[in-house]
Amino acid sequence: DTGVSQDPRHKITKRGQNVTFRCDPISEHNRLYWYRQTLGQGPEFLTYFQNEAQLEKSRLLSDRFSAERPKGSFSTLEIQRTEQGDSAMYLCASSLSVAGVNEQFFGPGTRLTVL
Amino acid sequence: AQSVTQPDIHITVSEGASLELRCNYSYGATPYLFWYVQSPGQGLQLLLKYFSGDTLVQGIKGFEAEFKRSQSSFNLRKPSVHWSDAAEYFCAVDHTGGFKTIFGAGTRLFVKA
Repeated sequence: DTGVSQDPRHKITKRGQNVTFRCDPISEHNRLYWYRQTLGQGPEFLTYFQNEAQLEKSRLLSDRFSAERPKGSFSTLEIQRTEQGDSAMYLCASSLSVAGVNEQFFGPGTRLTVL
Repeated sequence: AQSVTQPDIHITVSEGASLELRCNYSYGATPYLFWYVQSPGQGLQLLLKYFSGDTLVQGIKGFEAEFKRSQSSFNLRKPSVHWSDAAEYFCAVDHTGGFKTIFGAGTRLFVKA
C-alpha cells in the first residue's frame, strides 16, 4: 500500500501524559499536513510542512503541540501534558506541490482519547 | 475570513433515489473547491474538485458538482444513490494554493433500503 499511513490508529492516555503520533506520507510527496477533527466537525488545519520546513501553524496549535519533519519524509506530532480537550482524531495528509492547487491525500487518522 | 457552510447535518435518501448535498462558501474571489467523503475507519477521499473552467465537474463514484458563482455554492449531486454511499461528506475550500484547506462541518448521508 503506497498511501499515507499513520501510527498508532488509536491512543488512550491519561490527562497530563505526553503522546506522539507518526505520519508516513506518500513517498514522493514534499508537502505534509496535520489536521484535527472532533466529533461532528470537519477537519481543522493545524500545520503544514514543505519538505522539512514548517511553513504554517494554526492558532489551534498551542505551545503544548509540536510537529517535526526532520528529513522531509515522515512527520511526528507530539502533544505534551495532554488535556481532555485534546481528544480528537488527528489526520495527516500529503501532497506533491506542482503549479496550481495540490491534491491532498489523507491517512486513516489517529484517534486520541484523553481520560 | 473564509468559511464553508453545509446546512444539512444529516440526510436520508432511499437507495436508487437522487441526492443533492448543499455547500455554500464565503470568500471574495473564487476559491478552489472540493468534496471529500469519509467512511467509518477510513481516511478522507477526494470525490472531485473545481479550480476553473467548466462549472459542472465530474468526480469518482458517479458524483458531480456544480459551481454557481452567483450563489457562492458548490452542491454535490448523484442521480442514483447506492447503499455503499452512506458516509460523511465534506465540502472544502482553499484560496492559498493548497496548503490551508477549510472544511465544512460535514453532512452525514444515510441510505435506506
